[in-house]
Amino acid sequence: DARVTQTPRHKVTEMGQEVTMRCQPILGHNTVFWYRQTMMQGLELLAYFRNRAPLDDSGMPKDRFSAEMPDATLATLKIQPSEPRDSAVYFCASGLVLRTLRYNEQFFGPGTRLTVL
Amino acid sequence: TQLLEQSPQFLSIQEGENLTVYCNSSSVFSSLQWYRQEPGEGPVLLVTVVTGGEVKKLKRLTFQFGDARKDSSLHITAAQPGDTGLYLCAGGRSSNTGKLIFGQGTTLQVKP
Repeated sequence: DARVTQTPRHKVTEMGQEVTMRCQPILGHNTVFWYRQTMMQGLELLAYFRNRAPLDDSGMPKDRFSAEMPDATLATLKIQPSEPRDSAVYFCASGLVLRTLRYNEQFFGPGTRLTVL
Repeated sequence: TQLLEQSPQFLSIQEGENLTVYCNSSSVFSSLQWYRQEPGEGPVLLVTVVTGGEVKKLKRLTFQFGDARKDSSLHITAAQPGDTGLYLCAGGRSSNTGKLIFGQGTTLQVKP
């Protein structure tokens, strides 16, 4: 049963510390998405990659957030330095996106719940 | 800004009742998806509708895409406690970049 995996599931850190979240997309998917979910803002798209290349990171605060895909099996989201307002659940999703397809489906990981004190 | 507005935001009902959740936009979407998210988990895709006027059924859940492809609804018949969760609608564009526009979600609580 293919699933998106994320680590860690929970992270508590102090303001100013670096946080790294990892995601393993489903094998064969060519697109990886990073989302942030809060009660106030709902689900927000931070960035996404196609074939490991960044397509859009306009939803991400550039000064402290960075997203990369070192290889096809790993996507990372880093926050440095972290701030209390970054506290949220961060989701990774993957999908197979082809222009020949009318639509695509996104498969979400279980999320990383981040608390910045 | 392309927005999908969901209503109601919160719904608390008794087991056995029926309910409808709405997802509305001023923009046309080429596809509309519904996801359900349970506490502590990520959203899980329930259905995708692509044709204006399309109706899809998944057991007690009925999904409809508006004729103009700007709105959608989710109807649950005889709700059960297992239906409790956050329901999200998401719209895709014809360019199919893969990017989805998500609504704010409807939190449903079904009491036994």
